[in-house]
Amino acid sequence: GAVVSQHPSRVICKSGTSVKIECRSLDFQATTMFWYRQFPKQSLMLMATSNEGSKATYEQGVEKDKFLINHASLTLSTLTVTSAHPEDSSFYICSARDRLAGVDTQYFGPGTRLTVL
Amino acid sequence: KQEVTQIPAALSVPEGENLVLNCSFTDSAIYNLQWFRQDPGKGLTSLLLIQSSQREQTSGRLNASLDKSSGRSTLYIAASQPGDSATYLCAVRNGAGTALIFGKGTTLSVSS
Repeated sequence: GAVVSQHPSRVICKSGTSVKIECRSLDFQATTMFWYRQFPKQSLMLMATSNEGSKATYEQGVEKDKFLINHASLTLSTLTVTSAHPEDSSFYICSARDRLAGVDTQYFGPGTRLTVL
Repeated sequence: KQEVTQIPAALSVPEGENLVLNCSFTDSAIYNLQWFRQDPGKGLTSLLLIQSSQREQTSGRLNASLDKSSGRSTLYIAASQPGDSATYLCAVRNGAGTALIFGKGTTLSVSS
């Protein structure tokens, strides 16, 4: 089956630093990738929709200058948390839509646990 | 704005029991609905996807139903096993190819 990877799986950083999370579709091309954030005991909240070669669309309340998304190729999207603070500590999950499969065929990555000290 | 609610938030049952997880959504004009499983600290595993025109989907011991007009879905798990212990998430799509909107999940614990 289709596989989506995320790197790193866990990251601990100091407050004020920037962290980059990669989301890769390993065996398919993804024209669209979605970034979600999940706080403990909460649901996954959509942060942004990323389309290859164009600017990401951010959900209301998500700061685009703080959460930089780049989708430069059909297999890679990156999320950079700039000037991270403890309140940014969360579980970040990406999903990728297979370009050649049905519109609802989205595959989820294993997630990245970010802890900001 | 679409909102998804799952009841109960947590459930503990002995092995072998049949159980039902509930999901409701506020806007009935959905495109489809999907059930996922999430193990602690892990990503999501898709269980069942029901299109808006369908009433139910089945996979092994799992059966998901959809009543779009009333904004409800249920996930039925037959003969539960300890390996079924996980958080079950319900999510809806409002349109083709759009992002999923998730509920908070039901955390299931099956004891042996």
